[in-house]
Amino acid sequence: DAGVIQSPRHEVTEMGQEVTLRCKPISGHDYLFWYRQTMMRGLELLIYFNNNVPIDDSGMPEDRFSAKMPNASFSTLKIQPSEPRDSAVYFCASSFHPRDYGYTFGSGTRLTVV
Amino acid sequence: TQLLEQSPQFLSIQEGENLTVYCNSSSVFSSLQWYRQEPGEGPVLLVTVVTGGEVKKLKRLTFQFGDARKDSSLHITAAQPGDTGLYLCASAISGTYKYIFGTGTRLKVLA
Repeated sequence: DAGVIQSPRHEVTEMGQEVTLRCKPISGHDYLFWYRQTMMRGLELLIYFNNNVPIDDSGMPEDRFSAKMPNASFSTLKIQPSEPRDSAVYFCASSFHPRDYGYTFGSGTRLTVV
Repeated sequence: TQLLEQSPQFLSIQEGENLTVYCNSSSVFSSLQWYRQEPGEGPVLLVTVVTGGEVKKLKRLTFQFGDARKDSSLHITAAQPGDTGLYLCASAISGTYKYIFGTGTRLKVLA
């Protein structure tokens, strides 16, 4: 298996623009998580899905952020409009059973909003 | 709110030295995971500990879960430059799959 695949690896955008981050989880993994990592705040959980259904989105910063999982093999995280404070590395992770097997993380998308 | 505190925050040692890093919480862990993250990559799972007092070994790495399940340690024997990275502990908020991560210990092993 190719692991969790995220695209793009790097994204530079201007403030106010829409940004879409993409994730392909490992086949057979029922759980999908979106995290954001910064030096100041570390890894923060934004939202997670189970069987394509959003279970908890309490970590989503505000209405500018939205996430979808239209099927078991694809998820998106959208920021509209983007702001400089959204600059971070965004990780997608998937799991078959988080407690017993942990997460498999993608390589992340480094977002810079100027 | 459950918080995971890791110490030390930074550690720089010479190749061949031993080291221990710690993960502590004021709450009881249902289980705890350790990850290592290298620059430009996502964290990679090293181990999951579940039972109080549990000890797991992974080559030169020894993981211990406190008897009260409120703390954990990672001990590395004879550190190598390849051990360099950010070590993170993670635990789920009780009754959920919301895993929170500690702030991490950034380890650098010098050749």
